[in-house]
Amino acid sequence: AQTVTQSQPEMSVQEAETVTLSCTYDTSENNYYLFWYKQPPSRQMILVIRQEAYKQQNATENRFSVNFQKAAKSFSLKISDSQLGDTAMYFCAFMKRNDKIIFGKGTRLHILP
Amino acid sequence: GAVVSQHPSRVICKSGTSVKIECRSLDFQATTMFWYRQFPKQSLMLMATSNEGSKATYEQGVEKDKFLINHASLTLSTLTVTSAHPEDSSFYICSARLPGLQTDTQYFGPGTRLTVL
Repeated sequence: AQTVTQSQPEMSVQEAETVTLSCTYDTSENNYYLFWYKQPPSRQMILVIRQEAYKQQNATENRFSVNFQKAAKSFSLKISDSQLGDTAMYFCAFMKRNDKIIFGKGTRLHILP
Repeated sequence: GAVVSQHPSRVICKSGTSVKIECRSLDFQATTMFWYRQFPKQSLMLMATSNEGSKATYEQGVEKDKFLINHASLTLSTLTVTSAHPEDSSFYICSARLPGLQTDTQYFGPGTRLTVL
């Protein structure tokens, strides 16, 4: 069975700093997707970034980028120039093709003014 | 991105009554929708996978007779909490899978907060 582990329950950084959220996963699959979702206080789940396992290139979306290490089964999220609006719960997630999403327990990120 | 709505956003009911929550994909057709439950400060827990025109697939430990799921059309899935009790109070979230080549993406509704008195 697949598992997703987020080892940092909570983090705080100053505004404009860079922060990295860790995520590891366990699977025997070769074809899968990895995601980072953001859940702000409104509790709306927002897709931050998506990575396809067969792509070696790390995905980026503006200030958000990932470090995908397939052999190590690691998928960390880097947020550059952090903003107050980045304060949220961040979930790392795994999904086999056409299957359900498996979420990690989440990292609560506080951006301090 | 694709939009998924949920209704109601919050509901309060008395113990023993049934509550229906709707999940709609507004600008795409979703053959598969998912229902999650989220307790405070915890992750999302998948309850069931809803497939249009067929029975839902429930996760282990989820009572299918208590949490009735109907996916009667390509844009609507409903979750009915039957004979609700205070322990059913929670935040319920649905998601819809964008079909076809983009089946790697699920879009989430804004959630429904259920409070059972």
